Amino acid sequence: GEDVEQSLFLSVREGDSSVINCTYTDSSSTYLYWYKQEPGAGLQLLTYIFSNMDMKQDQRLTVLLNKKDKHLSLRIADTQTGDSAIYFCAESRNSGGYQKVTFGTGTKLQVIP
Amino acid sequence: DVKVTQSSRYLVKRTGEKVFLECVQDMDHENMFWYRQDPGLGLRLIYFSYDVKMKEKGDIPEGYSVSREKKERFSLILESASTNQTSMYLCASSPWHRGTDTQYFGPGTRLTVL
Repeated sequence: GEDVEQSLFLSVREGDSSVINCTYTDSSSTYLYWYKQEPGAGLQLLTYIFSNMDMKQDQRLTVLLNKKDKHLSLRIADTQTGDSAIYFCAESRNSGGYQKVTFGTGTKLQVIP
Repeated sequence: DVKVTQSSRYLVKRTGEKVFLECVQDMDHENMFWYRQDPGLGLRLIYFSYDVKMKEKGDIPEGYSVSREKKERFSLILESASTNQTSMYLCASSPWHRGTDTQYFGPGTRLTVL
């Protein structure tokens, strides 16, 4: 079966880097995603990576994918208080003709001023 | 900008009531989804639909049904609400194409069943 796991909580100081980790079990994943959920809001896509890539950088965000270990990470450089949110890892794969997306449990990032 | 709206932000219902949660998207997306979000469990897929009048069960469909009479609208129905259905319900939509499956989410409906 498919499973996507994350630690539930991370606390960092403003200006430090944050690293949020995710592990998944399905080796047939095609895309992996990071979504951000701010308080009282729905999820918003932050970034994604295709499964044949190792790394993707987008401004302060760096995504690393270790396909062998089925490990995905999101690094946020120079973390700001506005980055406080819940971050969800997700993976998609073909399932019965549909693209099925499985979300992780979410990591709540707390940024301390 | 894609917009996904949900009919209510907060809802309080009593056990046994029939509950309708409405979701509307304005980007002509083929796929629509209903999730529930619970602390420590992340998002769990209840039902999804890839076309009008089509529906597929997700991972936790028990106690729920859905309706998709129009492309832009996807309704989640709790036939007889129970306290264990107290949760945050999130609707999402995505276009049908090969490649990324970015989903666009509504703001959520926090349902409390007393």
